[in-house]
Amino acid sequence: GIQVEQSPPDLILQEGANSTLRCNFSDSVNNLQWFHQNPWGQLINLFYIPSGTKQNGRLSATTVATERYSLLYISSSQTTDSGVYFCAVVTFDSNYQLIWGAGTKLIIKP
Amino acid sequence: NAGVTQTPKFQVLKTGQSMTLQCAQDMNHEYMSWYRQDPGMGLRLIHYSVGAGITDQGEVPNGYNVSRSTTEDFPLRLLSAAPSQTSVYFCASSYRTGSLGTGELFFGEGSRLTVL
Repeated sequence: GIQVEQSPPDLILQEGANSTLRCNFSDSVNNLQWFHQNPWGQLINLFYIPSGTKQNGRLSATTVATERYSLLYISSSQTTDSGVYFCAVVTFDSNYQLIWGAGTKLIIKP
Repeated sequence: NAGVTQTPKFQVLKTGQSMTLQCAQDMNHEYMSWYRQDPGMGLRLIHYSVGAGITDQGEVPNGYNVSRSTTEDFPLRLLSAAPSQTSVYFCASSYRTGSLGTGELFFGEGSRLTVL
């Protein structure tokens, strides 16, 4: 089955720094989503982005489907950005099941 | 707009007891699903549904039952609780985007279950 790999596994930054999180996938996908799980456990959908680029405030995401990767950019990090960032994909034969990456744990220090 | 609502938020059970985790969404989503998340781990799919009357198994279905009698509700039943079922459970929903995909996935706040 498809492999979804996220990097780096852990990232510690100072407030105000920029960061890039990567999601590689080993097969074609028909959708890709980025999620943020905050330190209290709440899961928030950040982007639904099977291809192209989207921006939402300080966050933006780019998926290059032909090269099988997606990037999540966080600019001017704030402490509230801390948590775990997951990407998840649906493939053409996964029958609605999202295949999840292991996540990137981000800690923003004040 | 309530979104996805899960109850209860916390529950403690004894081994062998049964219980139902409730999930309701008010977005008219066809797709609903249940995940479990163990400490420090990612999400694992338990069961999902693509519409009323239709359910299917995910990655870890053993010990759990689901039903989907309405579009809005998707309860998860633990038949005979075991300590291995201690976890945080998340319900999620989305639109379907054709025959093979789901749209943007919205999560409930989670239900923390402890089985003694």
